[in-house]
Amino acid sequence: AQSVSQHNHHVILSEAASLELGCNYSYGGTVNLFWYVQYPGQHLQLLLKYFSGDPLVKGIKGFEAEFIKSKFSFNLRKPSVQWSDTAEYFCAVNTGTASKLTFGTGTRLQVTL
Amino acid sequence: GAGVSQSPSNKVTEKGKDVELRCDPISGHTALYWYRQSLGQGLEFLIYFQGNSAPDKSGLPSDRFSAERTGGSVSTLTIQRTQQEDSAVYLCASSAYSYEQFFGPGTRLTVL
Repeated sequence: AQSVSQHNHHVILSEAASLELGCNYSYGGTVNLFWYVQYPGQHLQLLLKYFSGDPLVKGIKGFEAEFIKSKFSFNLRKPSVQWSDTAEYFCAVNTGTASKLTFGTGTRLQVTL
Repeated sequence: GAGVSQSPSNKVTEKGKDVELRCDPISGHTALYWYRQSLGQGLEFLIYFQGNSAPDKSGLPSDRFSAERTGGSVSTLTIQRTQQEDSAVYLCASSAYSYEQFFGPGTRLTVL
């Protein structure tokens, strides 16, 4: 069974700082990778996804993630965070079309002014 | 267009009572999923329906939990004899025949 690890549980950054959130997964086969975001009081929304092809994927709101197969990693990055990026971020993986997602425990990002 | 909707948004019940949670997926989506989000356990998969195939029930935590999907659309998650550890936010998601799942706002269940 696959598993997902997010090592940063709570990150506090000042506005304009750069962001990198770690995500590692455990699965030997082909995976699809996702980052979801949950803003305060809102439901889960997809930030970006990787299925195949270019390992550097760009999502909404200036976020990007890089899939490094040799490291089983899919880290999320943003060059300059904004106060509105304050949210909880979840990395997730599944292994085929229309299959269940396995989530990491989430990283709570707090951006201060 | 309309997203995934769930009802009720909040449910408070007494221990031992049964509850039903409803999910309306995005029209045309063939796959429907239930997840649970709780402080101690994070986001956990519960059950998954895909078209007319038998559902994947591998995530249901006990036989008190069941779900059905009628007519390939609306789904109901039922929890019998609720326990305090069932308190959580229950999330529904749907997808077309693709990899991306769209989530609803969830039902917050509180068992007193």
